[in-house]
Amino acid sequence: EPEVTQTPSHQVTQMGQEVILRCVPISNHLYFYWYRQILGQKVEFLVSFYNNEISEKSEIFDDQFSVERPDGSNFTLKIRSTKLEDSAMYFCASRRDHTDTQYFGPGTRLTVL
Amino acid sequence: SQKIEQNSEALNIQEGKTATLTCNYTNYSPAYLQWYRQDPGRGPVFLLLIRENEKEKRKERLKVTFDTTLKQSLFHITASQPADSATYLCALPSDRGSTLGRLYFGRGTQLTVWP
Repeated sequence: EPEVTQTPSHQVTQMGQEVILRCVPISNHLYFYWYRQILGQKVEFLVSFYNNEISEKSEIFDDQFSVERPDGSNFTLKIRSTKLEDSAMYFCASRRDHTDTQYFGPGTRLTVL
Repeated sequence: SQKIEQNSEALNIQEGKTATLTCNYTNYSPAYLQWYRQDPGRGPVFLLLIRENEKEKRKERLKVTFDTTLKQSLFHITASQPADSATYLCALPSDRGSTLGRLYFGRGTQLTVWP
């Protein structure tokens, strides 16, 4: 069964550094999402992406964040200058057109030191 | 936005019993509601979706109900097993008209099934 994959599984970075989190959504899916989950807290929406552009973003998704679909298979989240409070699990999700179910990847644990 | 409350952070039951988890929401009534399972350090795994015109939905040992009058969904696991131990998340779309798919999640209920 097709799955969403994410790399790396764990990323450690220094405060102020740029990180890129990578996702490969399920191949016939058209809608892509990033969510994050700070340890012990609920899953929070960051951004949705459709037809090569951002369709919705939350208040968390400020100018330090950007997303890109550089080719036909990858979907990336870039954090330009990481802060300590960016430490969290970041989940990518995707869904097919005309359906409502989002399928999540295993996550990337980002640790900012 | 949507405020979602899930009953007690932790639920402990004996193997073989039925676990019942509650999800209450306070604002608009969503067109559908989803339940996910999350294991420690892993991503949410989709379990069931129920639409506003469906009172009940089943999948193997899982059953979900949706009461738009009470603004509540109940999630049942019958004949529970230790392998069912996980955190269960309730998720709702952002609003009735949106097709973009942003989900709001509850904090989850951590279920432990002991032998």
